[in-house]
Amino acid sequence: GAGVSQSPSNKVTEKGKDVELRCDPISGHTALYWYRQRLGQGLEFLIYFQGNSAPDKSGLPSDRFSAERTGESVSTLTIQRTQQEDSAVYLCASSLATSGRAQYFGPGTRLLVL
Amino acid sequence: AQKVTQAQTEISVVEKEDVTLDCVYETRDTTYYLFWYKQPPSGELVFLIRRNSFDEQNEISGRYSWNFQKSTSSFNFTITASQVVDSAVYFCALRGTGGGNKLTFGTGTQLKVEL
Repeated sequence: GAGVSQSPSNKVTEKGKDVELRCDPISGHTALYWYRQRLGQGLEFLIYFQGNSAPDKSGLPSDRFSAERTGESVSTLTIQRTQQEDSAVYLCASSLATSGRAQYFGPGTRLLVL
Repeated sequence: AQKVTQAQTEISVVEKEDVTLDCVYETRDTTYYLFWYKQPPSGELVFLIRRNSFDEQNEISGRYSWNFQKSTSSFNFTITASQVVDSAVYFCALRGTGGGNKLTFGTGTQLKVEL
């Protein structure tokens, strides 16, 4: 079956512009996660959705970052007024709702802020 | 707070050698889950294994094996008879029950397998 998909695969933007990153989870996965991976580093948690609600937003680095999910499916991560330090790969993952289930990752969106 | 430490930043081996990737974790939760993921040069993370804290049985899957020891808070990963295709960054991750559903990742170990 289809895995997690993300778009765009690459995004180059100018400092100060807004960007939207999209994630399509695996069908039937009610849990969805966003992570950020800076070059050569591990993954940092950003936000977690259960259904369309976000019970854990603790990883969002600032109020320039927001995310939403609709229809218990697609999620959009929005970064407003981008800064150079936002340059990273943004990874989306989904899982079944059951506690401790494996998270399956998409290919990521590589964001470069000039 | 939860923490995962992968002390080995980079390991280089020659094909057919065995290699062990170390993972040490910290958590105050009594129930937790440990994971290993592989990130090949293409960039996409591939799930390898999940282990819950109540199951200390070691697991073998082909050339891969995992050694979980609660006494030392370690969850090490061994690749037997390594191959060039094993070259990747390997991440160990922890999910506790007190920190929501997020995974806490280690910084990863870059494995290079050369001919």
